[in-house]
Amino acid sequence: QITLKESGPTLVKPTQTLTLTCTFSGFSLSTTGLGVGWIRQPPGKALEWLGLIYWNDDKRYSPSLRRRLTITKDTSKNQVVLTMTNMDPVDTGTYYCGLEKIVGATTTPLDYWGQGTPVTVSS
Amino acid sequence: EVVLTQSPGTLSLSPGERATLSCRASQSVSSNYLAWYQQKPGQTPRLLIYGASSRPTGIPDRFSGSGSGTDFTLTISRLEPEDFAVYYCQQYGGSPTFGQGTRLEIK
Repeated sequence: QITLKESGPTLVKPTQTLTLTCTFSGFSLSTTGLGVGWIRQPPGKALEWLGLIYWNDDKRYSPSLRRRLTITKDTSKNQVVLTMTNMDPVDTGTYYCGLEKIVGATTTPLDYWGQGTPVTVSS
Repeated sequence: EVVLTQSPGTLSLSPGERATLSCRASQSVSSNYLAWYQQKPGQTPRLLIYGASSRPTGIPDRFSGSGSGTDFTLTISRLEPEDFAVYYCQQYGGSPTFGQGTRLEIK
């Protein structure tokens, strides 16, 4: 059974750095073709894709957030970590991680999601 | 960046009716890497369609996707009460992006 769960602070101050951890089970990020992505959703608004890390440590980032984001993985701990610098109140929202799979020529995006973790940016 | 525009913003229909949701891309979506998600209030999004027209295991066949290039459609053939939710399209080639969502509400 595949599960993912996000964890981290619920409140950060403006200009601080946010660090979120996605802890997963039911798969290994050393398996060829797997990737874990991050998505966020401001209250009452649409989903926003942030970035993704693959089994081979290849990474993709949202162009608009690239300078502020870092995604790393710890395969031995089954964890992926998202770091976002210089937090602002507009970064408030629910942050999700999700599993992406590449099998041959077929990519299945975000088939499994974590429950999400709320983050508020306020002084 | 590929901008996805979903229409209509809100769709009001009754159970049993057919729903047609549109997603238009600002440029061609590579390899038809277009997905649809359903999100109910307070819940995590659920993948309904990927590759423009493929359904993951467990998704009812009343949900179908079609389209290519820049124009894509999600069709729900016969609405069930549990289908009323917000639907998002996503292109996941290159730098992924989501549409702004279509709210499907009960008429």
